[in-house]
This record gives sequence, structure tokens and C-alpha cells, in this order.
Amino acid sequence: QVTLKESGPGILQPSQTLSLTCTFSGFSLSTYGMGVGWIRQPSGKGLEWLANIWWDDDKYYNPSLKNRLTISKDTSNNQAFLKITNVDTADTATYYCARAVYYGLGAYFDYWGQGVMVTVSS
Amino acid sequence: DTVLTQSPALAVSPGERVTISCRASESVSTLMHWYQQKPGQQPKLLIYLASHLESGVPARFSGSGSGTDFTLTIDPVEADDTATYYCQQSWNDWTFGGGTKLELK
Repeated sequence: QVTLKESGPGILQPSQTLSLTCTFSGFSLSTYGMGVGWIRQPSGKGLEWLANIWWDDDKYYNPSLKNRLTISKDTSNNQAFLKITNVDTADTATYYCARAVYYGLGAYFDYWGQGVMVTVSS
Repeated sequence: DTVLTQSPALAVSPGERVTISCRASESVSTLMHWYQQKPGQQPKLLIYLASHLESGVPARFSGSGSGTDFTLTIDPVEADDTATYYCQQSWNDWTFGGGTKLELK
């Protein structure tokens, strides 16, 4: 079955770089139509899409955060990564990774990880 | 940015029919999807490509719409449906609606 699990530093200071890892099983990021996305959710608030990476290494970013985000993957180890530079308190949130699937007509997230809480605090 | 607008909250009685709406600021064709999120849990896919029921999701859930106006319908509503429901488009980058919190009376 498909599973995803996020990992991260837990807490970091303003201006640092946040590095997140998504370790998944049950699918391969080398398979046509497969992708991984990152989404975050501040406590008590809504969902914000951050970035997607696809089987062909295409990458897409939220335009409002694009200059701070880098998404990458390690296909052989079934992992995807997200880096966010120059964090501040507004980046405090639960970060989710999710499997993205593309079925010709469009794409969506069909499996989600449990999320990892990240706090930015001095 | 394609902005998705949802009503913030709804309250219904068990057994009733509820419709949750999502309006896009521009056409997204049928690239609209719906997720359910219960407190403390990750979101769960309910409906993809506007009207396709995800495997394992009860047939009480259905989706409709195209262009800018979309609807998630739950009929009949059960107590376990208490949750926040999000729409999400994948036509122009990816964006989520603000969520509709469904409460049962």
C-alpha cells in the first residue's frame, strides 16, 4: 500500500533554512504520472500548496514562495525533499507531503503523510 | 493566482442533504478536487476531477461542476462527517480553498 512520512527539524531559528524529507513506499517516482507535493497548514488555518516534483523531474512552485523553495527527489531511495530558505515565524506550520497522480486529464493528491510540525522561533 | 472561495461554515442535522460550494476566480475546467480533514488528521481525498468518487469513499459523497462553480454534496449526512472540507484546483498551479467547516446539529 502507499504510505508517506515526513521528517524535519522540529524547531529552527529565523533566517535558517528548513529542510524536510518525505520518505514513501508503495510507488516509484520514476513511474510515469507519479509525483510528490508539499503542502503546509498553520495551526487552525487552511492548506497552502508549496511545490510538486514529477517523475520526469519537472518542478512546480507556489509563485508567492518560489524564490525561497527548492524541491528535489532521490528516486532510488524513495524520497523527496523540500528546502525553504530564510524562514521566519510565518513558516511555523504542519508540513505534509502527498502523492500526486497525473491521469491525463489532470492531477491531484491521493495519499497524504501524517504531517510534521515545524516551529520557527528565536 | 486562481483563488478558490468557500463558505466558512455550515451546520446541518444528521440525515439531511448538504451542499458545499467552491467558486474559482477563473475557469479551472474540471480540474477540481475535494478533501476531508478531521481534527488532528491529514486531509483525505474524496472527489477528484470534479465528479469522480475516490475508491473506498462512501457513495453518500458526490461532486459536480465545471468552469468556475463546483459543489460537494453529502446525502445523507452522518455524524462522522463532521470535518473541514477543502476544494483544490490543479488547472493553474495548485491552490486550495479556505475550507468549509461542517458541524452537525
